[in-house]
Amino acid sequence: AQSVAQPEDQVNVAEGNPLTVKCTYSVSGNPYLFWYVQYPNRGLQFLLKYITGDNLVKGSYGFEAEFNKSQTSFHLKKPSALVSDSALYFCAVRDGRSSASKIIFGSGTRLSIRP
Amino acid sequence: GAVVSQHPSRVICKSGTSVKIECRSLDFQATTMFWYRQFPKKSLMLMATSNEGSKATYEQGVEKDKFLINHASLTLSTLTVTSAHPEDSSFYICSADVGGHTPFNEQFFGPGTRLTVL
Repeated sequence: AQSVAQPEDQVNVAEGNPLTVKCTYSVSGNPYLFWYVQYPNRGLQFLLKYITGDNLVKGSYGFEAEFNKSQTSFHLKKPSALVSDSALYFCAVRDGRSSASKIIFGSGTRLSIRP
Repeated sequence: GAVVSQHPSRVICKSGTSVKIECRSLDFQATTMFWYRQFPKKSLMLMATSNEGSKATYEQGVEKDKFLINHASLTLSTLTVTSAHPEDSSFYICSADVGGHTPFNEQFFGPGTRLTVL
């Protein structure tokens, strides 16, 4: 079965510093990996995805993620954090190719950026 | 990008009543929509997959008779919480896939509906 793990419940970073939100995955075939962000009382917003190709994926709001097959990781990164990046971040894996395939979410990591 | 709306955004109801939540894809057609439930400070739990023109597929442990799903058109899916109880209070989120010939699409999520059962 497909799964993703986010080992950190909370990540605290000072504004202007680089940030990393960790994610590891377990899949039986090719991984289709996603990052989403959720602001309070809001739905999820798509940040980026890895399907195939370059291991470094660039997404919205200056975020990027690095796919590492040997370590089965897909960590989310940003070179310089903003206070407005404070939110709940979810790593996710999709269990198939079709529009009916499910997305399985990690437990979420709360990112807090201090001024 | 694709937009998914939900209505209402917030609802408060008395125990024993039924509540209907609508999920609409505004600028695309969605043969498949998904319904999630999110508890405070927790991840999203997939409840069911809503299929246009056919029965929904429920995840293990989700009561079909409790959470009725109807996907009447390619742009509308509804979730009805029947005989709601306080333990049904939660944040309900729907999502949809743009579909088409592009594989591995990200899903687009609605803004969520906060249900409070008194």
